[in-house]
Formats: sequence, structure tokens, C-alpha cells
Amino acid sequence: QVQLVESGGGVVQPGRSLRLSCAASGFTFNNYGMHWVRQAPGKGLEWVAVISYDGTNEYYADSVKGRFTISRDKSKNTIYLQMNSLRTEDTAVYYCAKATGYLNGDFDYWGQGTLVTVSS
Amino acid sequence: DIQMTQSPSSLSASVGDRVTITCQASQDINNYLDWYQQKPGKAPKLLIYDASNLQRGVPSRFSGSGSGTDFTFTISSLQPEDIATYYCKQYDNLPTFGQGTRLEIK
Repeated sequence: QVQLVESGGGVVQPGRSLRLSCAASGFTFNNYGMHWVRQAPGKGLEWVAVISYDGTNEYYADSVKGRFTISRDKSKNTIYLQMNSLRTEDTAVYYCAKATGYLNGDFDYWGQGTLVTVSS
Repeated sequence: DIQMTQSPSSLSASVGDRVTITCQASQDINNYLDWYQQKPGKAPKLLIYDASNLQRGVPSRFSGSGSGTDFTFTISSLQPEDIATYYCKQYDNLPTFGQGTRLEIK
């Protein structure tokens, strides 16, 4: 069965960095786009970033552009979100999600989420 | 960016009621519209894809309709386990979610 397992969340000070991971299993990882979506406490869902099936295309929400980098390692069936220059407004649960297309599409599987808290 | 306007933001209904949520896109999104259910402390779950297609394993009381810029999500007969927050999402361009509709039992 398809599984997405996020890790790497925690408490970090403003301005510092953190790297999230999402380990995928149960499907052909190299065939699908992968996304990060976040949810601030008590708020709605916000799309963050996407990486194409082959890793050649990446796109970001304006709120994180220039600070966050999405990547994927096909040898480990894992995607990453490198988060630099973190701000208090980046505090959220971060979910990875599998798309149904090479880049975009429905999000048919989600991870359980990992909490990032940016606080001094 | 494509904006998604979802309404209402909250809704209270009785078991057995028909419930309707709407989502309006700021431009034509070619039916690239999903509906998700999120229960407290859990990840979202895909219910409807491409505006009107029921995801495998989802009960048939859930349905979606619409085209172009205006879309509707319906629960034909509300059940206690349907208490959740519901989101629309477009993916004609980079994804954007609606603001969410919190559904409560009256």
C-alpha cells in the first residue's frame, strides 16, 4: 500500500534552517510529481512547492520562493524540503502529497504531517 | 495566481440533511477541481477529483458538479462521521485551495 512518511520537523529559531524529508513507498516513485502542503495552527491548507516526476521542474508559492528548496532522491524514494531563513509565519504542519500526474493533479495520497515551530 | 472562493466558511446541519458547499475560481479551470475532507489532527483525504468523479472507496452520498469557474460539493444525507472541514483545490495552474468549510452537526 502507498505510504508517505514525513520527518524532520521540530522547534527552530527565526532565521535558522530545517530540512524535512518524505519517504515514499508502495508506488512507482519516479512516475509522479510530489508536493508539499502546509497548515498553520487553526488555519487552512496552503500549497508550498512541487517537484516533477524526474526532478527537472520545481515551483514554489510566493510566500516561500527564494527561501525553500524542494528536491528528490530517486535512489531513496524520498523528497526533501530545505527551509532556510525561517520566519514565525512558517510555523505549520507540513504534509507531503503524491500527485496523480507527472507534475500536478489530484493529491491521492498524503503523509501524516510533521510540525515545524519557528520561535525564539 | 488563480483564486478560489469557497463558501460558506462554516455550516451546521442535522443528520440526514442535504449539505452543499460551493467553490468559485477566479478564471476557467477546465474542471481541474478536487474536494478534500480533513478531520481534526488528520491529513486531508481526496473525495472528488476532476470536479465530479468519486474517488475509489468514497461513499456515494458524496458528489461534485460544476464546470468552468463554478463548482458544487454535495453530501446527499449527512452522517455523523462526515463532521470535518472540506476544501476545494484547483490544479489547472499551480495548486490553490479554497478557504475551507467547517461542517458541524446541529
